Order: sequence, then structure tokens, then C-alpha cells
Amino acid sequence: DSGVTQTPKHLITATGQRVTLRCSPRSGDLSVYWYQQSLDQGLQFLIQYYNGEERAKGNILERFSAQQFPDLHSELNLSSLELGDSALYFCASSPSGGALETQYFGPGTRLLVL
Amino acid sequence: DQQVKQNSPSLSVQEGRISILNCDYTNSMFDYFLWYKKYPAEGPTFLISISSIKDKNEDGRFTVFLNKSAKHLSLHIVPSQPGDSAVYFCAASQNNNDMRFGAGTRLTVKP
Repeated sequence: DSGVTQTPKHLITATGQRVTLRCSPRSGDLSVYWYQQSLDQGLQFLIQYYNGEERAKGNILERFSAQQFPDLHSELNLSSLELGDSALYFCASSPSGGALETQYFGPGTRLLVL
Repeated sequence: DQQVKQNSPSLSVQEGRISILNCDYTNSMFDYFLWYKKYPAEGPTFLISISSIKDKNEDGRFTVFLNKSAKHLSLHIVPSQPGDSAVYFCAASQNNNDMRFGAGTRLTVKP
């Protein structure tokens, strides 16, 4: 158990819909990262937040957005969903977001868009 | 833009033998490399890392080798155990920028 929690575990929805994925980082960690893992693909970095502020952006689509709240939990919002958005979405956390810090991953949310 | 590549989707080895997982990268500015292990239905877990100023880092049965001139790193597991069966991801980062992951290699260790 990494200490990072993600809800829900599974999500099935239809094209065009909007969903919100939630992540609670490890106690004390200020930085949260979001990743997408499509079938047979590596983890694609989406976005990083540090203490409520966006710190780095990766291959995140404009239809996707995220935020980190004062209690440090984070939400990833996916809108106008397409079939290709079906993937595993992982959240990770680290103490301060530095490059040499180990990121601790949650168990992921499996999204299926029908 | 696949800056980190793991060209072997799968690897099968016998228990007790050495497992060698390979990873290539294209960005010469990467300065920190990591290996993560992932079991089904779980998130990746950190295994071992290496800074670009080193060429080897060892932790128990796990050793990571870095060849900067070839832009290649490898993870050696010896001796391999059935519990090592998992998907292994190679990752690389530059300064404080985002981490790039390979597609993963599924290791199967047969008893």
C-alpha cells in the first residue's frame, strides 16, 4: 500500500460525457502527478501540481483539466469523452515534487468509454 | 514522441537465472533514471534509480547499469524469483521536468 488513494476504481461511461477522478496523496506529500496508461502504452505524464499550484504540464488534452485543493487532494476532470480516452489513470505523489524524489503511485482508476 | 523505449514487450526466464531488462532513450539531457515494477491491479512501485553521474547502482538482487554514450540502461535481477514476475517500467527525467516512461516489459519468472 503506497498510501496514495484513488477513487473510483472503475468507471464506465459514454462518449460525450464528463467524469471526475479523485486522488488523495500520501500524508505530508505536497506534489501530485497524473498519468494516463492506454493499452500497451507506457505511462503518459499529464500534469503535476505542487501545493495547489500547477507545476508542470505534459501531454494533457484541452478537454482534460485538473486541480489540487487546499487539503492537497486532487481531481482530474475529463470532458467530452471519446472512445480513445479509455485507459488507466494513475495518480502519484511525492514530498515536494523534485526530480530526484520517488513518486508513489495509487492503484489507478480504470476508465471505459463506450 | 517516445523518448524512452523498451523494445521487448515480454521476457521469460527460469527461476534462479538472471533477468536483464533493457531500456533506450533519445534525450541526452535526461539526468535521472528509474525502474518501476507493476503488479496487476496495482499502481507502479519504485524499484531502483540511478543518477546520470553514475554508471551502476546496486540494491540487493537488483542492479541498474547506465551507458550514457549508448543512451541505454538495463536492469539486472539475479537470482530471479517467481515473485519478480511483473511489468517493469523504465523512466527518465531531466532536471525538474516531467518523467517519461517506457511502454513496459512483462517479466515472467518460471519456477
